Formats: sequence, C-alpha cells, structure tokens
Amino acid sequence: QSALTQPPSVSGSPGQSVTISCTATSSDVGSYNHVSWYQQPPGTAPKLMIYDVTNRPSGVPDRFSGSKSGNTASLTISGLQAEDEADYYCSSYTNSNTYFFGTGTKVTVL
Amino acid sequence: EVQLVESGGGLVQPGGSLRISCAASGFTFSNYWMHWLRQTPDQGLVWVSDIKGDGSNTHYADSVKGRFTISRDNAKNTLYLQMNSLRVEDTAVYYCTRSGAPYAVDVWGQGTTVTVSS
Repeated sequence: QSALTQPPSVSGSPGQSVTISCTATSSDVGSYNHVSWYQQPPGTAPKLMIYDVTNRPSGVPDRFSGSKSGNTASLTISGLQAEDEADYYCSSYTNSNTYFFGTGTKVTVL
Repeated sequence: EVQLVESGGGLVQPGGSLRISCAASGFTFSNYWMHWLRQTPDQGLVWVSDIKGDGSNTHYADSVKGRFTISRDNAKNTLYLQMNSLRVEDTAVYYCTRSGAPYAVDVWGQGTTVTVSS
C-alpha cells in the first residue's frame, strides 16, 4: 500500500483543465512541504514538472501548477493539450530522509 | 548537454549480485546529490537510494537496506549501485537521477533493465 494515493486516471478535452490529487496516508511525510510532480509519456523517462509543492523548473509551461491543502497535494493542467497525455507521479520527501512516490495517474486527452 | 547514461543491467539469478553504473556529463558532478530510482509496471516508481555530492552521506529505502550499496567516483564522474542478495522483486528498470531542485530530481538517465530470474 503506497503512502501517496493518486486517482488511476483523469481525462479532459483540449483546452479544459484537469486536476490530479495526491493524498498522503502516512505521517512519515511530515509537514508535506516537499512535494514534486513528474510527467512520463509512454516509453520515456519521467520529467520534473513541479518541486516544493508550487515551483516550476525552467522550461515547464505555466499551464502546469501545483498546490496543497492539508494532506492532499494537487497538480492542475490548464488549457489541456494533446502533448500532455502521459502518466503523472507525485513524490514526497519524508522524515526518514527517504522519498515516497505516488501510485500514478494516467491523463487522457479526449 | 547534461546527460546521464546507465549501464550494467542484465539477467541475474536470485541471490546473485550485480553492479550498475551511471556516467554523468555536462555538469559538475561532485556538486550534486545523486539518486537511484526503479520502476516496474506493478509497483510504479520507487526511490531506492541517494548519495551526497562528496559521498559522505547516503540513504536507502527499507526494501534494499543491507543489500544495496550506492557509491560514486567524482574523478570519473560516475555513480554506482552495487546490488547483492538480489530477489525476484528487484526486477525493474533502474534510473540514475540528479537532484538539481530541492527534494526533487531534475535529470534522468534512459534507464537500465535488471532482471532477477532463475
């Protein structure tokens, strides 16, 4: 049983917004302030999209945004595009100096 | 260009050992924490281990603690993962990654496949 739970799938039409949740079920994540998000298109290595809950690395479109409320972090994709179709994983640093990854969410662009 | 290239994956019997490597280029290797992660269709992405830039500090996932050892050679810009007492459940694609953002990894290798099977 993963310490970070994500919905198996979400979908939306081009131009719409979708939100992926990531709920911490273990107190090992502490204050849950070190949450990151990764995008993985089929057959490729993951790519960092968000770090420390809300920060975007250089080169990531501002259509991608992160937030957190309580023990649930979220990734929102605004203005959904066909190229956004991929698996998305959340990750959190823990009190034990280790990392958890979420169960993964498949985003489908209809 | 920042690049990580893994090598050394392959087929090994349960109980056996394997060492995988990761050659880094395009950045000052010794300045970064480095991590190994692995991925399977069933378990998804799993963090395995990390090591500080100067090699002075390491951490491991509970599932590999006591069996795997992470190390680095900064003179050769190379990261290693020595895997002993391998189990069938260690079968995965292993990724070498760089921690270039706080508590996150920003550069990934292409992955190397480790298969543990009799």
